[in-house]
Amino acid sequence: EVQLVQSGAEVKKPGESLKISCKGFGYSFTNYWIGWVRQMPGKGLEWMGIIHPGDSDTRYSPSFQGQVTISADKSISAAFLQWSSLKASDTAMYYCARQNDGYDYGDWGQGTLVTVSS
Amino acid sequence: QSALTQPASVSGSPGQSITISCTGTISDVGSYNLVSWYQQHPGKAPKLMIYEAWKRPSGVSNRFSGSKSGNTASLTISGVQAEDEADYYCCSYAGSSVVFGGGTKLAVL
Repeated sequence: EVQLVQSGAEVKKPGESLKISCKGFGYSFTNYWIGWVRQMPGKGLEWMGIIHPGDSDTRYSPSFQGQVTISADKSISAAFLQWSSLKASDTAMYYCARQNDGYDYGDWGQGTLVTVSS
Repeated sequence: QSALTQPASVSGSPGQSITISCTGTISDVGSYNLVSWYQQHPGKAPKLMIYEAWKRPSGVSNRFSGSKSGNTASLTISGVQAEDEADYYCCSYAGSSVVFGGGTKLAVL
């Protein structure tokens, strides 16, 4: 069974850094792109970007380019999303998802809630 | 790129059919049959309901169907049930990136 397990909820202050994780189980982690999706409170889904864990090829949405960094460590079957300086507007639920060949997402993590507040 | 356009809300009585539209551009929906649809219940992760415009994943009810014409994709739910009340999002490949729709809240009256 394919599973994506994300790291736990975080509470941070503006200006702090953060790295959240997404670990894959039950499949060959290096064979599928992993995507990150943001959902701000009460709002819709926003595609942030994807990474191929096999070679770390990464693509970003123009809206998120330069705002976050997506990375992966294939030795531990994990993908990461990180911020160098958080803002209150980064408060959201962040999901990772496994991308299929048709650019659809059939398997999702449980989400990581990030709260940024002074 | 801009989000795909969906109606904010739709409603239907149990047993009725409803259709949710998703309008994009020639740069996304219009150029690729790589449209997917997701159902999201409150507090839950999204669930894939339709992929590649009309294909249904194993385990998804055949009451859910997808179609596409030009720059607009559609999700139809036949015989709406109370458990279908949720938010629905379309999603399309847009040439090196992916874009979601703004979401549609389905109310089952």
